Amino acid sequence: SQQGEEDPQALSIQEGENATMNCSYKTSINNLQWYRQNSGRGLVHLILIRSNEREKHSGRLRVTLDTSKKSSSLLITASRAADTASYFCATPFHTGGFKTIFGAGTRLFVKA
Amino acid sequence: DSGVTQTPKHLITATGQRVTLRCSPRSGDLSVYWYQQSLDQGLQFLIHYYNGEERAKGNILERFSAQQFPDLHSELNLSSLELGDSALYFCASSVEEGAPQYFGPGTRLTVL
Repeated sequence: SQQGEEDPQALSIQEGENATMNCSYKTSINNLQWYRQNSGRGLVHLILIRSNEREKHSGRLRVTLDTSKKSSSLLITASRAADTASYFCATPFHTGGFKTIFGAGTRLFVKA
Repeated sequence: DSGVTQTPKHLITATGQRVTLRCSPRSGDLSVYWYQQSLDQGLQFLIHYYNGEERAKGNILERFSAQQFPDLHSELNLSSLELGDSALYFCASSVEEGAPQYFGPGTRLTVL
C-alpha cells in the first residue's frame, strides 16, 4: 500500500478560510515533502520538512511533522481561488534503492 | 517552467504497440524519476536513475523499461501496450536522492 496517505480526499472551502490536509506514512523517513498539482499538469514542490523538524513555514503554508505518529499536516491560510488544486505528500525512503512514494492526494476546491 | 522537458506531449497509439517517452532533466540534476498517473491509481513511482545507474524500481511492469544516457536524458519504453496503460507519465529530476523533485509537464498516453 501507499507509503503516504492523505486525508481528507477532498475539501471544499470558501476563499479566505484556512485549509488543513493531513498525511500519514508507514516507515522511517529523512524528510517529507508536499507538492501541488493543478489539473493534468506536473507537480510543483511546495515545502520540505526534515525528520528532525517539527514545524516549518513558507508564506501562507505551514507544515507540521510528528514522527512519533508518522503524520504530517499542511495548513494553507487565507486560501484563494488560485489554491484550487490537488495536494500530495511524498516520502523519500531507502529500501533496496531510493524511492519516493506519493499519497493519493487531497483535492482542494476554493470557492470565490 | 520547472526546467524539465518531456516529449511528446500527447501520444495516441493502438494496443500491442511500443512507444518511447523522452525526458530531459534540469541542468545539473543527476537524478531522474518516472511516474505513472492514472485516474484510479494516483501517482505511481516507476523507476529512478542516478547518473546513468538504475537506483530503485517501483511497480514497473516487465513490459516497461527505462534508461538514462550519458547526457543524463532518460527514456521510458512501453511495449505490448494495453488499454490500461493509458495514463499521464511524468518525469521528474532532482539534484540528489531525497531532494525536492522538479516535474516535467507529462506525456499523456492514450491506448486505443
